[in-house]
Amino acid sequence: LAKTTQPISMDSYEGQEVNITCSHNNIATNDYITWYQQFPSQGPRFIIQGYKTKVTNEVASLFIPADRKSSTLSLPRVSLSDTAVYYCLVGDITAAGNKLTFGGGTRVLVKP
Amino acid sequence: GAGVSQSPRYKVAKRGQDVALRCDPISGHVSLFWYQQALGQGPEFLTYFQNEAQLDKSGLPSDRFFAERPEGSVSTLKIQRTQQEDSAVYLCASSLSYGSSGNTIYFGEGSWLTVV
Repeated sequence: LAKTTQPISMDSYEGQEVNITCSHNNIATNDYITWYQQFPSQGPRFIIQGYKTKVTNEVASLFIPADRKSSTLSLPRVSLSDTAVYYCLVGDITAAGNKLTFGGGTRVLVKP
Repeated sequence: GAGVSQSPRYKVAKRGQDVALRCDPISGHVSLFWYQQALGQGPEFLTYFQNEAQLDKSGLPSDRFFAERPEGSVSTLKIQRTQQEDSAVYLCASSLSYGSSGNTIYFGEGSWLTVV
């Protein structure tokens, strides 16, 4: 399973864009990149998933360069409620029993 | 239900007690996972079921931990003779199937276990 490295914490302010970069140098050909968000006292919540280039949904965008050795989660115009831990995960989602391997995550604090 | 449901939400056990944690996955989901999350850490994989078959139990920390999913839907994680180091949040997750579609893994709210 590919190991991921992401910043331990980030601070931001309401209305700003937050970009969290995750490194995954040994990503395999079949691996996808998935991001989860976790609030205190709750289970992780799926945000976005991608394989290459750019993926966008109503919550976030995911940018993946051609070499796929890193990825950037972009949260537009954050609010106080976006304060959470964000996890970057890499794995072969096409495989049976694909188990997600979580790292320490990035603690994002949004200030007023 | 609409999401993964876990019970109890909170459990305090005396050291040495046995506990059972229940998970109701999203209806129709084939895959079911259990994770353990210590305070301030990311979740760690415990075990995986595909329908009723337990295909991976490599993450179970000791033989005191046992999981089952006898009819391929509801699952129970049992911890025997609980120890203080078992105190953690136990997360259950499910996904529709594996493969490039339907593979998003959805988590429940977790069962918070405190062993005193």
